[in-house]
Amino acid sequence: LAKTTQPISMDSYEGQEVNITCSHNNIATNDYITWYQQFPSQGPRFIIQGYKTKVTNEVASLFIPADRKSSTLSLPRFSLSDTAVYYCLVGGGLSGGYNKLIFGAGTRLAVHP
Amino acid sequence: ETGVTQSPTHLIKTRGQQVTLRCSSQSGHNTVSWYQQALGQGPQFIFQYYREEENGRGNFPPRFSGLQFPNYSSELNVNALELDDSALYLCASSLSGYKDEQYFGPGTRLTVT
Repeated sequence: LAKTTQPISMDSYEGQEVNITCSHNNIATNDYITWYQQFPSQGPRFIIQGYKTKVTNEVASLFIPADRKSSTLSLPRFSLSDTAVYYCLVGGGLSGGYNKLIFGAGTRLAVHP
Repeated sequence: ETGVTQSPTHLIKTRGQQVTLRCSSQSGHNTVSWYQQALGQGPQFIFQYYREEENGRGNFPPRFSGLQFPNYSSELNVNALELDDSALYLCASSLSGYKDEQYFGPGTRLTVT
C-alpha cells in the first residue's frame, strides 16, 4: 500500500481555516484517500474520503490534484475542541482484497485561543 | 444504533501471561479489524475478520490470534505476552466493501509488566 508523508505537527488559531497536506507519490490507480481524526484516549474517527478533485462534507473538504500524488484536508473555522491527531491514509483499492488501513504517524494539530 | 464497544477498558498483565480482548461490532457490520497503537504512533493493522474467517493479516506473530462470532462480535487473543505488547488495542467494524468507512471503538489499554 502507498506510503504517506504529512507534517508531524501544526499550530493554528481558533477560528482560522486549517489545511493539512499529505504526499502519496506511489498511490495506485485503485487507491482512495481517506482522512481520520483521533482525540486522546479515543479510537480514530472517519472525516472524509475521496478519489479525485474535490470532496466536501459537513466537517471538511478534501482537495486532490489531477496527478493524485498529494491531497489537502481543509478544516474550516477550527476550534479548540478540534485539537487532535489527523491521519492521511491511502489504499482500499481492489488489489488489496480486503479493507486494511495503513496509518502513518499523523499530524498533531494544536489550536491556540 | 449502537456503536463499537470494547472490553475491558484497561488491563494489566504480567509478561508471559495470555490475554483476551473483546469487541462488539456496530449493528449491521460484518467485518471486524484489530489494530495495535503504541504510545505516540499511529495504529498498526493486526488482522481482519469477515464472516467469521480471517480475511487478512498484518506483520504480527502467530501468538496474536482472533475469532469472530456469528453475531459478528470478535476477540483478540495474545499469548506469551511481552513488554512491547503494551499498547492501546483498537477494534474497528465496517461493511465488507473495500473502501468502506471503519468505525473504531474506544480501545483497550493493555499494560504488560
